[in-house]
Amino acid sequence: DTEVTQTPKHLVMGMTNKKSLKCEQHMGHRAMYWYKQKAKKPPELMFVYSYEKLSINESVPSRFSPECPNSSLLNLHLHALQPEDSALYLCASSQEWTSYEQYFGPGTRLTVT
Amino acid sequence: GEDVEQSLFLSVREGDSSVINCTYTDSSSTYLYWYKQEPGAGLQLLTYIFSNMDMKQDQRLTVLLNKKDKHLSLRIADTQTGDSAIYFCAEKNTGKLIFGQGTTLQVKP
Repeated sequence: DTEVTQTPKHLVMGMTNKKSLKCEQHMGHRAMYWYKQKAKKPPELMFVYSYEKLSINESVPSRFSPECPNSSLLNLHLHALQPEDSALYLCASSQEWTSYEQYFGPGTRLTVT
Repeated sequence: GEDVEQSLFLSVREGDSSVINCTYTDSSSTYLYWYKQEPGAGLQLLTYIFSNMDMKQDQRLTVLLNKKDKHLSLRIADTQTGDSAIYFCAEKNTGKLIFGQGTTLQVKP
């Protein structure tokens, strides 16, 4: 099973709302990732967790707050977003940070109004 | 620095072969990848090649790597309408995936 699941599939939120995106994998992977993808563009790395510790933050604004409550779950908490934050948010996982295979979830399509 | 480049669009007829090309700049890349993204979906890992290989074949997919020219290609034999998607080339070095801009493959019946 090489499945990464993400919920919700779609999310519409106002600029004053607080919401969370959820990602789950049961492959025993110890590295998990958040990417942001704008239309017709490649994914851009946001955060990397390795063994439940944040190891990379690609200078992401603080209105995005990641959390890794356990080795299977990764959350992205959203607060006071801007319309330009509307994008597809992809979660991915790999056995280790240095592993060659990285598996992506289907993404959450976020619209900020 | 790290940079991966691809042509943006390719159109082929069903049953023909498709060749999608990619160039990269980081000669220390350890793995090179091809991901497929269908509309509204996440990225699917299609295949990858280790940097000490020059060719890898997997059913209808053939990956060629020219390390001297830092050129990677993906050949899809007998292209089908279900192959219509965006194809991303990516390189991996020190853990991070660096993606190209993606090539949109259009397959005409």
